[in-house]
Amino acid sequence: DVKVTQSSRYLVKRTGEKVFLECVQDMDHENMFWYRQDPGLGLRLIYFSYDVKMKEKGDIPEGYSVSREKKERFSLILESASTNQTSMYLCASTSGYEQYFGPGTRLTVT
Amino acid sequence: ELKVEQNPLFLSMQEGKNYTIYCNYSTTSDRLYWYRQDPGKSLESLFVLLSNGAVKQEGRLMASLDTKARLSTLHITAAVHDLSATYFCAVDRSSGDKLTFGTGTRLAVRP
Repeated sequence: DVKVTQSSRYLVKRTGEKVFLECVQDMDHENMFWYRQDPGLGLRLIYFSYDVKMKEKGDIPEGYSVSREKKERFSLILESASTNQTSMYLCASTSGYEQYFGPGTRLTVT
Repeated sequence: ELKVEQNPLFLSMQEGKNYTIYCNYSTTSDRLYWYRQDPGKSLESLFVLLSNGAVKQEGRLMASLDTKARLSTLHITAAVHDLSATYFCAVDRSSGDKLTFGTGTRLAVRP
């Protein structure tokens, strides 16, 4: 079974803090993605990566950056967290036609 | 820009009834996904539809794709409470597995 894991299920941070969300997949997938999910908006793509050290902006990259130093790990970074980044964050990796999602991290910024 | 619209946004069904969720999208795509999400959980893949006229069924759920009409449907037959969840459709942008999601349909099946 493909496994996509995320470092935290729940996270509470203060405004202005630097926040790291980690995602690890165990199936040697090249493509990895970060989405955020908000009620009434579905999932929106923040950043994605097709290979190590490679990254591309998605639809809503402002306020975020990413890092992919190893193939299995894709990190989402909030340089200076703000309250409008309170959301559910979902990581995914792809193999063929299938996208596999991690369990999600619910981030609250106070 | 690809837009994906789902309707209805909320659906309250009685057990045993049939209903259909619709997913319209605005530009050509050759891949459409349906996902299920339970409260507080991640997305579970239900179906991947790859070609015009594709139909897939799993239990009480059946999905179909009409690429000419840019429409996919998720049909629920004889609903049961266990089907209560939020259902998302997502369309591949034909460029490297990037998906555009609909806003989701929250389904509540009542006795």
